[in-house]
Amino acid sequence: QVQVVQSGAEVKKPGASVKLSCKVSADRFTRYAIHWVRQAPGQSLQWMGWINAANGNTAYSEKLQGRLIIARDTSASTAYMALSILTSEDAGVYYCATSTLQAFDNWGQGTLVTVS
Amino acid sequence: SYELTQPPSLSVSPGQTATIICSGDNLGNTYVSWYQHKPGQSPVLVIHQDNKRPSGINERFSGSSSGNTATLTISGTQALDEADYYCQAWDTSTVVFGGGTKLTVL
Repeated sequence: QVQVVQSGAEVKKPGASVKLSCKVSADRFTRYAIHWVRQAPGQSLQWMGWINAANGNTAYSEKLQGRLIIARDTSASTAYMALSILTSEDAGVYYCATSTLQAFDNWGQGTLVTVS
Repeated sequence: SYELTQPPSLSVSPGQTATIICSGDNLGNTYVSWYQHKPGQSPVLVIHQDNKRPSGINERFSGSSSGNTATLTISGTQALDEADYYCQAWDTSTVVFGGGTKLTVL
């Protein structure tokens, strides 16, 4: 059974950066794609980007290109998401999820990011 | 950029069938997944590859996709099915979510 555990809540000032982690407990971390998805208060799910854990290739949402970096540490079975130049519109719950068969099948518990 | 459109809300009575539509250009040419999202919880995958149920998902949930439309059907809707439902598809190497449909079971 795959477990996905995210880092804790963050409070950041406008203009700052935030870095979140996502640890995947599984037999082979590198078989997964790991995605980041966020939800602003009262809004729908927004896909942010993903990383291929095997080769480190990434793809990002056009809307976040230039502010978002996704990386992974295979020795720690952990993916990271860093978002810079935060505004109030970046506040919300951030999820990571593993992906197989083009679907997000295991989700983390979510991390609340407050920008204030 | 690619967009998926869902009705914002749907209300059904207990025991009825809920049908949630997701529309997008040539949606039938790519796999569609569906997620159930309840307040305070993480989303749960209920349908992948258009019509496949993950292990542990009730057989009341089914999906289909053709042309420009994908459909999530919940048979015999129960109060515990009340949630937001999102469709999701791939657009080349990026991912798109629909705007979500709030299902209310009255």
